[in-house]
Amino acid sequence: QKEVEQDPGPLSVPEGAIVSLNCTYSNSAFQYFMWYRQYSRKGPELLMYTYSSGNKEDGRFTAQVDKSSKYISLFIRDSQPSDSATYLCAPKSGDTGFQKLVFGTGTRLLVSP
Amino acid sequence: GAGVSQSPRYKVAKRGQDVALRCDPISGHVSLFWYQQALGQGPEFLTYFQNEAQLDKSGLPSDRFFAERPEGSVSTLKIQRTQKEDSAVYLCASSSGSVNQPQHFGDGTRLSIL
Repeated sequence: QKEVEQDPGPLSVPEGAIVSLNCTYSNSAFQYFMWYRQYSRKGPELLMYTYSSGNKEDGRFTAQVDKSSKYISLFIRDSQPSDSATYLCAPKSGDTGFQKLVFGTGTRLLVSP
Repeated sequence: GAGVSQSPRYKVAKRGQDVALRCDPISGHVSLFWYQQALGQGPEFLTYFQNEAQLDKSGLPSDRFFAERPEGSVSTLKIQRTQKEDSAVYLCASSSGSVNQPQHFGDGTRLSIL
């Protein structure tokens, strides 16, 4: 079993829809939770960054972490065709000696006009 | 520079050749990371530097893979005697070094081994 599980999709939605992207993880040591967006032939771009459990909102994006159930979510409101990309969740430990990100497979999102 | 810069963007090599991939981190970033991304997969950790010290190389798949950062800035990932299974995108990321700071990625080097 992988440390971070993520449905690869693709997830197809119409423009304006609310999108919910999710990951589960198994390592209790994870303290920081990142969401990256990756367009084809580009590197991952940081979208959201949260510490421990709770919600964080930034414009149309909301990140949610529930450490008790080891569940990470990213919500996108009023989705746009330009949101079509692969979304990667990436938690990491709070231990200074273990700074690597552990990525899910990524969920491919397609937003149609 | 403004972002993480990687070169070359594309590299084609014949099986058995050695390759070297370069990463220029964001100016002032002390932490540097290398990841390998296979097609359709998320990136997988290879190795991590804090300044010039290689603190974690647990993800390097074999002793054919070697990374260095001699002056604590630019890093080179070297793959010796390349194999077809080495074909992937190699991503470099940097961060300020504090545990609570995120990593910022370059656009990667796409390596194809023929």
